Amino acid sequence: EAQVTQNPRYLITVTGKKLTVTCSQNMNHEYMSWYRQDPGLGLRQIYYSMNVEVTDKGDVPEGYKVSRKEKRNFPLILESPSPNQTSLYFCASSLSPGGAGNTIYFGEGSWLTVV
Amino acid sequence: GESVGLHLPTLSVQEGDNSIINCAYSNSASDYFIWYKQESGKGPQFIIDIRSNMDKRQGQRVTVLLNKTVKHLSLQIAATQPGDSAVYFCAERRGGSYIPTFGRGTSLIVHP
Repeated sequence: EAQVTQNPRYLITVTGKKLTVTCSQNMNHEYMSWYRQDPGLGLRQIYYSMNVEVTDKGDVPEGYKVSRKEKRNFPLILESPSPNQTSLYFCASSLSPGGAGNTIYFGEGSWLTVV
Repeated sequence: GESVGLHLPTLSVQEGDNSIINCAYSNSASDYFIWYKQESGKGPQFIIDIRSNMDKRQGQRVTVLLNKTVKHLSLQIAATQPGDSAVYFCAERRGGSYIPTFGRGTSLIVHP
């Protein structure tokens, strides 16, 4: 079954404590991306990756890092989380970045609260 | 349509009615549009898409209309069911860009 798996699904953490949200896909997709979703703002792209070792900033990259050492994994790293990073995070993958909408798969989301 | 501030616009309908959800997009260079459905606690799911060289596309119980003149997109759901209750997002992809831009979403509530 085609899946994008995120972990953890729910996390409460404290300001400044580094954390990593993992994302893994089993479809051999080249393109992966991270979004954050905030009330009334829709989904905003944080970072994306076109392939292994190729990453680039999206619309709201500040305070985040990513890495793409292997095709299936695309972790999101918050080096020093702050309360304004409290949000719902989604990982997505697709076969190609310009692919049709029905080829984009989203994970179930990770609720992150920073206190 | 598009939301203002932090609250999603909400559309309430009765089961069996037709629903129309609207979206205004900003960039005339956008050439590809997607509608997503997001149920509570889940990630967005693809519903239907349309390219800018079309003005209408139909799926199963859903139709997307594109008016490039006024940069407006709509999603029509026929015979709306309680299972259609969700937040609906439109997304646009600008020509030459791989990054889709999402609208703020509209909450659809279907009353039995």
